[in-house]
Amino acid sequence: GQQLNQSPQSMFIQEGEDVSMNCTSSSIFNTWLWYKQDPGEGPVLLIALYKAGELTSNGRLTAQFGITRKDSFLNISASIPSDVGIYFCAGQLRNSGGSNYKLTFGKGTLLTVNP
Amino acid sequence: KAGVTQTPRYLIKTRGQQVTLSCSPISGHRSVSWYQQTPGQGLQFLFEYFSETQRNKGNFPGRFSGRQFSNSRSEMNVSTLELGDSALYLCASSVDTHGYTFGSGTRLTVV
Repeated sequence: GQQLNQSPQSMFIQEGEDVSMNCTSSSIFNTWLWYKQDPGEGPVLLIALYKAGELTSNGRLTAQFGITRKDSFLNISASIPSDVGIYFCAGQLRNSGGSNYKLTFGKGTLLTVNP
Repeated sequence: KAGVTQTPRYLIKTRGQQVTLSCSPISGHRSVSWYQQTPGQGLQFLFEYFSETQRNKGNFPGRFSGRQFSNSRSEMNVSTLELGDSALYLCASSVDTHGYTFGSGTRLTVV
């Protein structure tokens, strides 16, 4: 089955630094999603990407859908303490009939921001 | 606008018992998906429902089942619980399978 490799597994940075994390897949997706999860809560959608090559921003967050459709990255600029959490990438492959609704998740990147 | 509501938030069950978890999607959302989250396996897809029909199913044993009602509310059931079923069970809803919104989850502990 499809597998997502998300890296790095964890990051420890200083407040104000920029952060980059990425996901690669063994097969293609036609949707990439980035989520953040805080302790005891469900994942919250940060950015959704629907076209190869698409570059989308949401405040200090920027994500790109790789040209090969097998990868995506997320950048966070000027990190702040509330950026702490686990970031997940997720890929979705809708087949031609639009009947595949499963999200495949990466294992997550644990981000720690030192004030 | 209320988010995705999952009940209960926490649950402790004994091996061999069964459990039913509930999910109320965002109003107007007809697609409901269930995921299991564990430290070892991460987030794993269980199944997805739309208009009371299961459209996709993940690679879980038959002890895991679900259903969706006409008001889009969904339940999942796990029978003959095993210790390895201890996990955070997450429900997500969507209008059209884009950008799923997750609930806070039900933390199930099997002892």
